[in-house]
Amino acid sequence: GENVEQHPSTLSVQEGDSAVIKCTYSDSASNYFPWYKQELGKRPQLIIDIRSNVGEKKDQRIAVTLNKTAKHFSLHITETQPEDSAVYFCAGPASGGSYIPTFGRGTSLIVHP
Amino acid sequence: DTGVSQDPRHKITKRGQNVTFRCDPISEHNRLYWYRQTLGQGPEFLTYFQNEAQLEKSRLLSDRFSAERPKGSFSTLEIQRTEQGDSAMYLCASSPGVAFDSPLHFGNGTRLTVT
Repeated sequence: GENVEQHPSTLSVQEGDSAVIKCTYSDSASNYFPWYKQELGKRPQLIIDIRSNVGEKKDQRIAVTLNKTAKHFSLHITETQPEDSAVYFCAGPASGGSYIPTFGRGTSLIVHP
Repeated sequence: DTGVSQDPRHKITKRGQNVTFRCDPISEHNRLYWYRQTLGQGPEFLTYFQNEAQLEKSRLLSDRFSAERPKGSFSTLEIQRTEQGDSAMYLCASSPGVAFDSPLHFGNGTRLTVT
């Protein structure tokens, strides 16, 4: 979605390396920022989310950081494994005061064994 | 939690025909969303319901598209006079509550191919 920009579009790493994906948004209305993982041919599934009352949240090898002032949030995956290979989407607020989840274009993460 | 189910999984139709898709959300979820996804893109918002009320439609949504959720449970999405540009994966998602601060639970989608 044009209201939510996601970078990079592709990310290739070696197994064990870290991966970082960043999203920026234009409307500060929302206080909820999720990340979804979509494996090939499957549905998007939530992997982690954060609310604006915290700056960072961790779940094992996955973390999300939020900078509301700069209007961006990032997904961090440490010690990547081949099964982390998938497309990752962030979702943020649409512009114009709408809170409807608007998705970024996705990041294709490839983890080489 | 039986998850969100969509039917059919695949639909091939000829240009100009009408198609209808069904979505059964997680039973206790108030909100139901329809998104469309094309190859290499993120899900694009189409419309959403709060119980049986359709609260918002995308401005990009053609008037050939209509959606219903008559009893606040399952929903249908109809596309009239299909065009080749309608070919995409149509995803349904549901979420609990009445705010936008809950995760979306997606179905497996209906893949539409218009020939």
